Amino acid sequence: EIVLTQSPGTLSLSPGERATLSCRASQSVSSSYLAWYQQKPGQAPRLLIYGASSRATGIPDRFSGSGSGTDFTLTISRLEPEDFAVYYCQQYGSSPTTFGQGTKVEIK
Amino acid sequence: EVQLVESGGGLVKPGRSLRLSCTASGFTFGDYAMSWFRQAPGKGLEWVGFIRSKAYGGTTEYAASVKGRFTISRDDSKSIAYLQMNSLKTEDTAVYYCTRRGGLAAPDYWGQGTLVTVSS
Repeated sequence: EIVLTQSPGTLSLSPGERATLSCRASQSVSSSYLAWYQQKPGQAPRLLIYGASSRATGIPDRFSGSGSGTDFTLTISRLEPEDFAVYYCQQYGSSPTTFGQGTKVEIK
Repeated sequence: EVQLVESGGGLVKPGRSLRLSCTASGFTFGDYAMSWFRQAPGKGLEWVGFIRSKAYGGTTEYAASVKGRFTISRDDSKSIAYLQMNSLKTEDTAVYYCTRRGGLAAPDYWGQGTLVTVSS
């Protein structure tokens, strides 16, 4: 199965700053079937990005995804207070679908 | 508005069974694959399995950790997906989420989750 490794484990930033989250796959993710989710405490995950770079319905344009093959990035251009959360990447091009271990974006 | 509501969670002893339900609204349920994921307390997300729509045969796929113990089914007339969990183990303790879509489509809507605790 494809192992996804997210870095860093924790990102300490201030509101208004730019966040760059990385997701590296142990083998190529077919057809860029890579998604990003946001999860806040006590809540279900929310789909942000699918197909590596397409924003899901209702997601603000400060969230963007990029990458292909084995290296993917989620960028939050300017952090809003509501963006502090845990972010997961997921590959769904190869069965079993797998997730990274998560990156926590916390307020500095 | 798309809504997914899980139910049926609770405390169960090891070796026993439990059936979760996922009631959907706000979309044509029969047109979509449905998936189940879980999250153990304080841990990350894990895929459990999914069921394709009838148009794609209604077939299922499962994670190795639950294959042979868990069964996913669907009732399109009621817009409900089910997760039948047999021979439960303590390591099955988690919040279980149902989602719309699966397979080669990123799950786009998630329910609020239902907690299953397996303990003697």
